Amino acid sequence: AQSVAQPEDQVNVAEGNPLTVKCTYSVSGNPYLFWYVQYPNRGLQFLLKYITGDNLVKGSYGFEAEFNKSQTSFHLKKPSALVSDSALYFCAVRAPMDTGRRALTFGSGTRLQVQP
Amino acid sequence: GAVVSQHPSWVICKSGTSVKIECRSLDFQATTMFWYRQFPKQSLMLMATSNEGSKATYEQGVEKDKFLINHASLTLSTLTVTSAHPEDSSFYICSASPSGTSGSKEQFFGPGTRLTVL
Repeated sequence: AQSVAQPEDQVNVAEGNPLTVKCTYSVSGNPYLFWYVQYPNRGLQFLLKYITGDNLVKGSYGFEAEFNKSQTSFHLKKPSALVSDSALYFCAVRAPMDTGRRALTFGSGTRLQVQP
Repeated sequence: GAVVSQHPSWVICKSGTSVKIECRSLDFQATTMFWYRQFPKQSLMLMATSNEGSKATYEQGVEKDKFLINHASLTLSTLTVTSAHPEDSSFYICSASPSGTSGSKEQFFGPGTRLTVL
């Protein structure tokens, strides 16, 4: 079974500083990895995904994530945080195509708080 | 971009009544839609996979007779919470992937429906 771990319940960072939100995963085979952001009482918004290719993936709103196969990690990063980035961030994994399972497995979420 | 809507956005009902939540893909067709449930300050938990024209696939521990799913068309899936009880109060979120694409395409999520059962 696949799983995702987000070890930090909350990350605090000052505006303008770089931010990192951690994610590690466990899945058989090559994973499909995703990051989503959720604002209060809203659904999830897609940020970025890793399927194959370059380990550094660039996404929406200046976010990027680095896929590290040896460490089974997919940490979300941004060089300079904005107050408006404050939200709940979810890492998710989808099993490889040959499993036939298309649903996502989500991590527990990390609340990002960016202080002015 | 691909948009998924949910209706209603919030609903309050009395215990014992049934509530229907609609999930629509507005500008694409979706053979498969997914229903998730999110408790306060917790992650999304997959409830079931909704397949157009066939029975839904439920996750372990999810009562199929309580959470009825119908995927009557390529743009609409409905979740009916039957005989709702206060413990069913939650945030229900659907998602959809465009038909005819590989599994690498991201899922598009609806805005969610907050159900409160009194």
